[in-house]
Parts: sequence; C-alpha cells; structure tokens
Amino acid sequence: QKEVEQNSGPLSVPEGAIASLNCTYSDRGSQSFFWYRQYSGKSPELIMFIYSNGDKEDGRFTAQLNKASQYVSLLIRDSQPSDSATYLCAVNYYGGSQGNLIFGKGTKLSVKP
Amino acid sequence: EAQVTQNPRYLITVTGKKLTVTCSQNMNHEYMSWYRQDPGLGLRQIYYSMNVEVTDKGDVPEGYKVSRKEKRNFPLILESPSPNQTSLYFCASHASGFNQPQHFGDGTRLSIL
Repeated sequence: QKEVEQNSGPLSVPEGAIASLNCTYSDRGSQSFFWYRQYSGKSPELIMFIYSNGDKEDGRFTAQLNKASQYVSLLIRDSQPSDSATYLCAVNYYGGSQGNLIFGKGTKLSVKP
Repeated sequence: EAQVTQNPRYLITVTGKKLTVTCSQNMNHEYMSWYRQDPGLGLRQIYYSMNVEVTDKGDVPEGYKVSRKEKRNFPLILESPSPNQTSLYFCASHASGFNQPQHFGDGTRLSIL
C-alpha cells in the first residue's frame, strides 16, 4: 500500500513567520512530488512541484526533497493570513500510471495576524 | 482560458437513482482522473484515464463507472447511488510527463439521501 503521510495540524504560525509543512512517502521509486493549496470548499491549486533532491524556490515558497529519507517539505516564508489553507502533498509513483497520483490527507495551516 | 469544467456543481438526489457527473477539459490533456474528498480521508482517486478508451481503477472504484470516448470528456457515472457516496468530487486532467501537475475542476458536491 503506497502511502503519503502528513501531519493533519492545525499548524498555527504568526504573520511574518516561516511555516514548515512536512510529508513522508512510502515508496522509494517515487518520481515527482507536488504541493497543492486548498481553501475550504475550493479545488486544489498547484503551488510547486519538485523531482530532484535538494531545494527549489519560487517566491516565498521553497520545496525541499530528500529521496534517501523519503521526505518532502514546503517552507512558506513571511507567512500571510491569506496563506491560511490546507496544504496537500501528492506523490507520483514510479511504475504506476502517470495518472496515479497519491495525495496525503493535508495539513491545515492557520496564519494569525 | 484553460480549464476543467464539471457539472453539476451541486446535486441532491435519492438512493438508487442513476446519475452522471460530467467533466470536460480544453487543454488537450491525455490524462484525466476522478477524485472524491471526505473529511479525515483526504483526496482519494476513483478512476483515471490515460487516453481515449483507456481507463483504470484508482483506490476507491466500487460503485462508480467511467468512460472516455472523447479526449476532452470523462464522465463519472453512479449507476445506483448510495448514501456512502455523498462526498465532494473533483475531476482533474494533466498532460503526459511525470512532472505534469493536475488541473482540477471546481468540484461537485453530491448528496445522496
């Protein structure tokens, strides 16, 4: 059973702080990793994807991947109240169809003004 | 505008009455998927399709059918809906390539009484 694990939260951080969201996955053959943001009642929207070990930065967001530890994280710098949402980690498993994306249950982030 | 369109957005119906949720994408994507999202369970894949006439089961296919007769359309069919299929449903599509993100529709909130 391929699994993607996230802390459900809620993770509460003050405005301006760094929010750190973590995700672990069970299959070492995983190829690509995505972070989605989902506001309540809305559809998930892509924030970032990463497929090489190391860091990938896009504005206030940094994704970090460590395949040896089967760990992927998302850092949000200078957190804003508008960042309050549920963050979904998704993993594309090697060997399965490219459409077979496995999602974690999400971490709820609350940024306090 | 690139988009995935689902209809209806909301539906309340009764047990056993066949229903279809339509999904259409205008991005010429090969891959399309259906997910359901339930509190505490996250996003779970129901079915996915890799191209016209090619479909495969996801994690929770029981009670659902799909078809892919045209590249742009991927309807979800509930032949005999039951209350445990009450959920928020998302259709998604993406291009081929292991690092291609999913593009989600706005969701269909389905209530089976």
